[in-house]
Amino acid sequence: ETGVTQTPRHLVMGMTNKKSLKCEQHLGHNAMYWYKQSAKKPLELMFVYNFKEQTENNSVPSRFSPECPNSSHLFLHLHTLQPEDSALYLCASSQDATGLANYGYTFGSGTRLTVV
Amino acid sequence: AQKITQTQPGMFVQEKEAVTLDCTYDTSDQSYGLFWYKQPSSGEMIFLIYQGSYDEQNATEGRYSLNFQKARKSANLVISASQLGDSAMYFCVITSPGSARQLTFGSGTQLTVLP
Repeated sequence: ETGVTQTPRHLVMGMTNKKSLKCEQHLGHNAMYWYKQSAKKPLELMFVYNFKEQTENNSVPSRFSPECPNSSHLFLHLHTLQPEDSALYLCASSQDATGLANYGYTFGSGTRLTVV
Repeated sequence: AQKITQTQPGMFVQEKEAVTLDCTYDTSDQSYGLFWYKQPSSGEMIFLIYQGSYDEQNATEGRYSLNFQKARKSANLVISASQLGDSAMYFCVITSPGSARQLTFGSGTQLTVLP
């Protein structure tokens, strides 16, 4: 148990489907992140939420829509995805998103998404 | 912009031996942090060790130590007494303060520990 829980672990969806990825943490952290990990590419930051406010959108296509209803939960809503969106989507949390800290980030185990 | 370079896509080490995973970085920030994360086949990213740019001592955490050479912009991870469970992908990561504290990941090194 890492402290950050992601569901589902695996998801297969068609290009016309709508689905959502869920991330939950009860570590008392105030910042939450979505990262995308594609094969043979470094991890890419997608979105940052700090105290429930979105502070970063790293030029992510609008077919990905994040939602952060409270500091403990983060969603990634998916619609009309493309096959190239198939990847491991990792959620992470940290104490906050300002300043440097040596306590690191806590990652979830990820959702492996396949778009067919 | 920040950049991490990991030049070893794959490494092999014999069980119980030490191994060094290379990492060089580029940043224009005066203050920054360096992390190493481990990602086993299960997918989760596991925090291993952290080095702050102003830390004078090299960071150590159990069998992990970070060989930090600031002038060379190098932050190599040393794993002593390798274990079979150390087989995983290892990522060197840099971060810096700002309004949104982002992690910039390297491409990773796949470490395989041989029995």
